[in-house]
Amino acid sequence: QQPVQSPQAVILREGEDAVINCSSSKALYSVHWYRQKHGEAPVFLMILLKGGEQKGHEKISASFNEKKQQSSLYLTASQLSYSGTYFCGTESRGGADGLTFGKGTHLIIQP
Amino acid sequence: GAVVSQHPSWVICKSGTSVKIECRSLDFQATTMFWYRQFPKQSLMLMATSNEGSKATYEQGVEKDKFLINHASLTLSTLTVTSAHPEDSSFYICSATQANPYNEQFFGPGTRLTVL
Repeated sequence: QQPVQSPQAVILREGEDAVINCSSSKALYSVHWYRQKHGEAPVFLMILLKGGEQKGHEKISASFNEKKQQSSLYLTASQLSYSGTYFCGTESRGGADGLTFGKGTHLIIQP
Repeated sequence: GAVVSQHPSWVICKSGTSVKIECRSLDFQATTMFWYRQFPKQSLMLMATSNEGSKATYEQGVEKDKFLINHASLTLSTLTVTSAHPEDSSFYICSATQANPYNEQFFGPGTRLTVL
């Protein structure tokens, strides 16, 4: 089942903060976050695993609440380059599985 | 590192023809490769999972005879859209992972297929 992302869209001024949420009705093994710009491939931002491990970019932070099957992506001091569509992708079990993506959150950063 | 390429980046073909799309991991050996499709302004939908030397695993609703996947080596997977029709027009994206220790997936730049 597709995870639910919120908000659907957000407009920020440069320097403001944003939180993007991802919620699943299934137990999760991992949550992946990607950013996609129009006409381009998604770019890996972060992976969070059950048990607390995570790996990602230095300037990106995220949380994963296994019990609630929820993850949040935190964008602080946003820059113009942060604009794009953010997708969370989920895995229900370990191993090399394909991801089930949410519908995306459109982020627009204005100067 | 972790670069994935796709070829071609776009293709226009006539209805009824077949189109082959290549996905290569350039600087790592990918245990597994995945094929997704994305319609305009929509999310990515997993089509199939491809492991080197074995048959691909297709998601429910994806016709395996229409979308042929071959995973010839640890760095190359191909998707062939057979007898393409206008409804097959989409953005096809592959991703590759080493799976160990993390299943972080690196995406290719995508192939935009337009079937006339």
